[in-house]
Amino acid sequence: SQQGEEDPQALSIQEGENATMNCSYKTSINNLQWYRQNSGRGLVHLILIRSNEREKHSGRLRVTLDTSKKSSSLLITASRAADTASYFCATRETSGSRLTFGEGTQLTVNP
Amino acid sequence: KAGVTQTPRYLIKTRGQQVTLSCSPISGHRSVSWYQQTPGQGLQFLFEYFSETQRNKGNFPGRFSGRQFSNSRSEMNVSTLELGDSALYLCASSLNGAGGWGYGYTFGSGTRLTVV
Repeated sequence: SQQGEEDPQALSIQEGENATMNCSYKTSINNLQWYRQNSGRGLVHLILIRSNEREKHSGRLRVTLDTSKKSSSLLITASRAADTASYFCATRETSGSRLTFGEGTQLTVNP
Repeated sequence: KAGVTQTPRYLIKTRGQQVTLSCSPISGHRSVSWYQQTPGQGLQFLFEYFSETQRNKGNFPGRFSGRQFSNSRSEMNVSTLELGDSALYLCASSLNGAGGWGYGYTFGSGTRLTVV
């Protein structure tokens, strides 16, 4: 079963705009990770945020985590056509090593 | 260093047959996890192997099994294939399977299985 929900399910923006995706989850977590998937290929790890962190940056990516609300957001700034992909959040629970994925957001960046 | 290698990339099988998929993790990584991705169910955890032992298992029937060899390479097997087993099967490699505090998992490109 899916741990979390992501919204929106689909997002279409113009190149240069910012894209924000949200993720909610249900259980206590050790960390939350964001992955990108291009057209049915493998997942690419983007960024990991620990449960004791509130915000993290990596290049054009900014992730926030609110453990009280069990939610996270991924912001991609100055988007490019190459950012077009599906984005998934994944949580690792405090016990165990499995990742539980959200349903994903399909981002389309129009040139 | 080489990434995670999954073979084969594509596979077509008939209902009732069995299939074996292979995953070679990044050199030095001891944990291999398997995930099934379908349009209806999304990404579902199958199992994780660490140092040749199954450490964690998802909610899949016993037809799904796996193993890990001493060189950390892993195989998963699906017996008595059903149409619903058609999916992208992804393998993920990590040092210790915990994801660590600063490391994510490295995924292979997947094996696309079609059951007809």
